[in-house]
Amino acid sequence: DTGVSQNPRHKITKRGQNVTFRCDPISEHNRLYWYRQTLGQGPEFLTYFQNEAQLEKSRLLSDRFSAERPKGSFSTLEIQRTEQGDSAMYLCASSEGQRGDDEQFFGPGTRLTVL
Amino acid sequence: AQSVTQLGSHVSVSEGALVLLRCNYSSSVPPYLFWYVQYPNQGLQLLLKYTSAATLVKGINGFEAEFKKSETSFHLTKPSAHMSDAAEYFCAVTPFGGYQKVTFGTGTKLQVIP
Repeated sequence: DTGVSQNPRHKITKRGQNVTFRCDPISEHNRLYWYRQTLGQGPEFLTYFQNEAQLEKSRLLSDRFSAERPKGSFSTLEIQRTEQGDSAMYLCASSEGQRGDDEQFFGPGTRLTVL
Repeated sequence: AQSVTQLGSHVSVSEGALVLLRCNYSSSVPPYLFWYVQYPNQGLQLLLKYTSAATLVKGINGFEAEFKKSETSFHLTKPSAHMSDAAEYFCAVTPFGGYQKVTFGTGTKLQVIP
């Protein structure tokens, strides 16, 4: 088990371009979460999946953002028409169970810079 | 809505000194509480969690935290700081019971001075 992996680790793009990030959770983890972290802030919840079903989306997730988890394994987060305000670290986490106290295992994140 | 407040965005301690990182939560019912650590260029790692089983929770790397309902606090401590403890620490909360989203505090950067 190699932990949660995220690709790419860094992405620089121009405003208006689309970007896609990938997250590979720990195998057999049912739950997968996406967070956004800006400088000086803690991670902010964006969305989470139970297997392939997207169960909750934050109001932070505007219609330019879309996340998928086809087949309940890896997940992708796409941002369309990027804006400078989208610059942040995007974190992915996974957990085995469905309890509120289940540990979430985090990936190293994808740092997005929008020029 | 659940929330946590971390007092002090930066804390400096000397190597060997006591580490105390403060976290207060806002909830009408005792929630689940967590402390995570984030080293540079790495993902967050769980240090410890409170799930109502015991008020004093021991975690990894010699850290512990005490849940105090009367003070709505969950402060993180370590008796003797080590250089390797330098990192950013996040307190987090989720409502007791079934899963709901985790809310993180703004973080405290710990500097350890040799």
